[in-house]
Amino acid sequence: QSALTQPASVSGSPGQSITISCAGTSSDVGGYNYVSWYQQHPGKAPKLMIYEVSNRPSGVSNRFSGSKSGNTASLTISGLQAEDEADYHCSSYTSSTTWVFGGGTKLTVL
Amino acid sequence: QVQLVESGGGVVQPGTSLRLSCAASGFTFSSHAMHWVRQAPGKGLEWVAVISYDGNNKRYIDSVKGRFTISRDNSKNTLYLQMNSLRGEDTAVYYCARDRGGSYCIDNWGQGTLVTVSS
Repeated sequence: QSALTQPASVSGSPGQSITISCAGTSSDVGGYNYVSWYQQHPGKAPKLMIYEVSNRPSGVSNRFSGSKSGNTASLTISGLQAEDEADYHCSSYTSSTTWVFGGGTKLTVL
Repeated sequence: QVQLVESGGGVVQPGTSLRLSCAASGFTFSSHAMHWVRQAPGKGLEWVAVISYDGNNKRYIDSVKGRFTISRDNSKNTLYLQMNSLRGEDTAVYYCARDRGGSYCIDNWGQGTLVTVSS
């Protein structure tokens, strides 16, 4: 049950695009299309942004998109806005019928 | 709208017990699996446990197996986490969370309750 691997931080300027990676194994990310992404502002509860690798819940901006290649999933945010500055966490269902999260990535909008 | 309200957190000594509760409203509680997820200060999220909609199936992260027990009372729309033999590394904000159903992900979170294990 090792945590998924995310970069500790990423940054971008308003209007730019950034991508956050989430590396796992064939027992989690690579084995299932059950990767989800969460946004968390300081002191707040997480919010679901992407589920099943690339699906957006209603109400989430289409600036947020997800993808997966092999054992690595990615979250891309296009047209960066100041309000996107937050921590982002990936998660995957696993072959042990449990869930695992990444260590989180702090996004800074310059 | 979906509401999840945790309670029961506090400061406890190592080796002691604590029970967290989560009151759910705004949806059919008995139709959804439920999770507990924790976040140590300044750290990432850590999945802790899940319970099926009917309470018959439970899974735990290895580090809490044998110490924590997840349970639910569908008649009271309440989720519980009984935590025994608490350790310093259990210090975290504990979130109650609803499973989306069919997508193996969490779609709603409570605001969390802080558990501090310290002598």
